[in-house]
Amino acid sequence: DVKVTQSSRYLVKRTGEKVFLECVQDMDHENMFWYRQDPGLGLRLIYFSYDVKMKEKGDIPEGYSVSREKKERFSLILESASTNQTSMYLCAGGQGRENGYTFGSGTRLTVV
Amino acid sequence: DAKTTQPPSMDCAEGRAANLPCNHSTISGNEYVYWYRQIHSQGPQYIIHGLKNNETNEMASLIITEDRKSSTLILPHATLRDTAVYYCIAFANAGGTSYGKLTFGQGTILTVHP
Repeated sequence: DVKVTQSSRYLVKRTGEKVFLECVQDMDHENMFWYRQDPGLGLRLIYFSYDVKMKEKGDIPEGYSVSREKKERFSLILESASTNQTSMYLCAGGQGRENGYTFGSGTRLTVV
Repeated sequence: DAKTTQPPSMDCAEGRAANLPCNHSTISGNEYVYWYRQIHSQGPQYIIHGLKNNETNEMASLIITEDRKSSTLILPHATLRDTAVYYCIAFANAGGTSYGKLTFGQGTILTVHP
């Protein structure tokens, strides 16, 4: 089974800080995704990547950027963290519709 | 991607089968039906998926109607640990690519009672 690992389970950061959320997958999958999940709003796609150095905006990319220098690692970057970015962040990886995607355990980020 | 409709909540007695319905009347021919679940504060967990035929694995069975407009996820012997939010998703790769975006709705909150 594909394993997707998010580096931190809980993070507390200050407003204005630059924040890096890291995600690593242990299979040779091209596709990786970042979602955020908020009560009442469900899971929303922030960014995804279908290959090294390739990225595509999802539904809510504002305030975020991503980096994919190696196939196994996909980083979400909050350039200047704000309190409205307090959320659960979920990373996923996989091959597409035939096999679906595997999710990590999530990073609960609090911006104070 | 096709929109899916699920009941907001369902209850089930422990040991009984849980049958979770999903309507996807606008599903296209290249969209798979996927089911995920999410236990509180964890990442979504893959359960099962199918295109046309019924599918079964160690977790569940998926029954897809012949016209593919609806499906049912069956947990044959529900336990307390099956209490979770269950998401039904119609999923296709973006045209000509090997990737697609999983779009989550609100799902069904399944509560399994002792």
